[in-house]
Amino acid sequence: QSALTQPASVSGSPGQSITISCTGTSSDVGGYNYVSWYQQHPGKAPKLMIYEVSNRPSGVSNRFSGSKSGNTASLTISGLQAEDEADYYCSSYTSSSFVVFGGGTKLTVL
Amino acid sequence: QVQLVQSGAEVKKPGASVKVSCKASGYTFTSYGISWVRQAPGQGLEWMGWISAYNGNTNYAQKLQGRVTMTTDTSTSTAYMELRSLRSDDTAVYYCARGSTSFNWFDPWGQGTLVTVSS
Repeated sequence: QSALTQPASVSGSPGQSITISCTGTSSDVGGYNYVSWYQQHPGKAPKLMIYEVSNRPSGVSNRFSGSKSGNTASLTISGLQAEDEADYYCSSYTSSSFVVFGGGTKLTVL
Repeated sequence: QVQLVQSGAEVKKPGASVKVSCKASGYTFTSYGISWVRQAPGQGLEWMGWISAYNGNTNYAQKLQGRVTMTTDTSTSTAYMELRSLRSDDTAVYYCARGSTSFNWFDPWGQGTLVTVSS
């Protein structure tokens, strides 16, 4: 099972919005609404930010939102803040091997 | 609050085995499963497998089949992951994470356990 495809890096200035894409296939991202997103700061454990494509867990800022179109899911962060600088990973259920992660995207806040 | 606390760092020689523990608190242990995810140095996340804390059913990543065993002890709300025949490329931080049977989310995650395989 190949990893989901994410851009290696994205960047934005404070206050701006950025979007991170996560591209899979009809066997994973496109076939199920089981896409989740995780934020990971250096040396820390990942934190759930979005689940089931667009749902935010309690306590996660509403600046974070998720969506999906076809085989591509997206995470959008609006009103970018310095604390958002981190690595972001998408994940999807897959019919062939249960779970697949994206390769990760490093977000830099300029 | 819901929390997963993992055992400490391990250093193992190639060919050895390692067993990492993950103690859950703050929720009904048997109502969820536990997934294990590892992260090699400087690399991304890799799902290793999942165990139901309700009935012990497991699903393992194909590449680890035969080398990994996941178990739970419901009396202590603790999950375990054992990896055998260790190789240098098994060097990674190993995380446990609470998860559903639909694999649609992992939350929260343990703090991670660094396993170093070196001769």
